[in-house]
Amino acid sequence: EIVLTQSPATLSLSPGERATLSCRASQSVSSYLAWYQQKPGQAPRLLIYDASNRATGIPARFSGSGSGTDFTLTISSLEPEDFAVYYCQQRSNWPPGTFGQGTKLEIK
Amino acid sequence: QVQLQESGPGLVKPSETLSLTCTVSGGSVSSGSYYWSWIRQPPGKGLEWIGYIYYSGSTNYNPSLKSRVTISVDTSKNQFSLKLSSVTAADTAVYYCARVTGGGYYGVWGQGTLVTVSS
Repeated sequence: EIVLTQSPATLSLSPGERATLSCRASQSVSSYLAWYQQKPGQAPRLLIYDASNRATGIPARFSGSGSGTDFTLTISSLEPEDFAVYYCQQRSNWPPGTFGQGTKLEIK
Repeated sequence: QVQLQESGPGLVKPSETLSLTCTVSGGSVSSGSYYWSWIRQPPGKGLEWIGYIYYSGSTNYNPSLKSRVTISVDTSKNQFSLKLSSVTAADTAVYYCARVTGGGYYGVWGQGTLVTVSS
């Protein structure tokens, strides 16, 4: 099973700052990695797929990078609505296509 | 725009069977372009894939749940369903249905439904 490890567990930043979230895979997943945003009481929303492609309707301040085992989600300038939990997910061996444990982005 | 909506009991007794239905609107479960999945999230925890179904009826389940899970599709009603048998408190979770796109990403989600296992 491919394990995805996200860091940090919690990230405290202020609106307007740059956020950098990390996802590391236990083995190569090529570029088959997605990022999701989940707000309290809501379903996850697909942000980025195949490591760097924004999903439909996702603002340009969200960007993804990486390949192999190391991936990054960057939010260039945080808006108040960006504070949420972020999950990475790999589809290299889908199914099951495992999820990371999440990074909580909170307001400092 | 496709939308998914879960429905079913919010409370299930231990050892009984959890049954949920996902109704698809604005699109068709008969589309050969997608798989249809169930995912769950225990309170305060991460996401766990349960299984998927294709419109043809072919399925694939999480090995850890395989002996207790059945996913079915009803193309006439544009729905797919989840049954999880012999539930315990560990099965308490928000259950989501989702459309699988891009070879394994979850592009569209239902709003989720909380199922509590308790006597």
